[in-house]
Amino acid sequence: LAKTTQPISMDSYEGQEVNITCSHNNIATNDYITWYQQFPSQGPRFIIQGYKTKVTNEVASLFIPADRKSSTLSLPRVSLSDTAVYYCLVGDGNTGGFKTIFGAGTRLFVKA
Amino acid sequence: ETGVTQTPRHLVMGMTNKKSLKCEQHLGHNAMYWYKQSAKKPLELMFVYNFKEQTENNSVPSRFSPECPNSSHLFLHLHTLQPEDSALYLCASSQEPLVTGAGNQPQHFGDGTRLSIL
Repeated sequence: LAKTTQPISMDSYEGQEVNITCSHNNIATNDYITWYQQFPSQGPRFIIQGYKTKVTNEVASLFIPADRKSSTLSLPRVSLSDTAVYYCLVGDGNTGGFKTIFGAGTRLFVKA
Repeated sequence: ETGVTQTPRHLVMGMTNKKSLKCEQHLGHNAMYWYKQSAKKPLELMFVYNFKEQTENNSVPSRFSPECPNSSHLFLHLHTLQPEDSALYLCASSQEPLVTGAGNQPQHFGDGTRLSIL
């Protein structure tokens, strides 16, 4: 049972801002929203995490509306090296426990 | 340097072999995890260890046997594997155990062991 919904793939050009939206209708009250980046043959890398409103760090911003049923990862001025799979991760709102649900992710392809 | 080191990076084995995957984290974390990532499939959580104790077995076949001798080391012992077990096996750690899903504990992943079963 999928807990998050993301676009399967996105294309962009160098220098553009990329926004990837994730739907998580069953997010639990105490759950945070976490985004990871994964390059081929490597493990996922933590990008950003938030609970509500907006969070910004040196690589990305995360926008979370008041109902928290979705979130948007914003990557400013992408480069070719940002080509990767991006995963949105939230808690299992139905069963709790230690379940960690990774969805299929969004494959971002940045073109020159 | 991710802080989580996995060895070997690549492993080819026959179905009757016994081998072990090793994971070591240098981050002082208290929780460690094994994941399986098959081609074109999402990451699947296999095992969770909190403070050296196994707290989650996500319906993993018994041919996979985890071992956690201390908070810094995690092993995955393999025996009589099947071709469909060919995948990238990822180890991760977090400062504190995940209580509900992602919670507020980012996980740090190693780069995985690429396992091929002949």
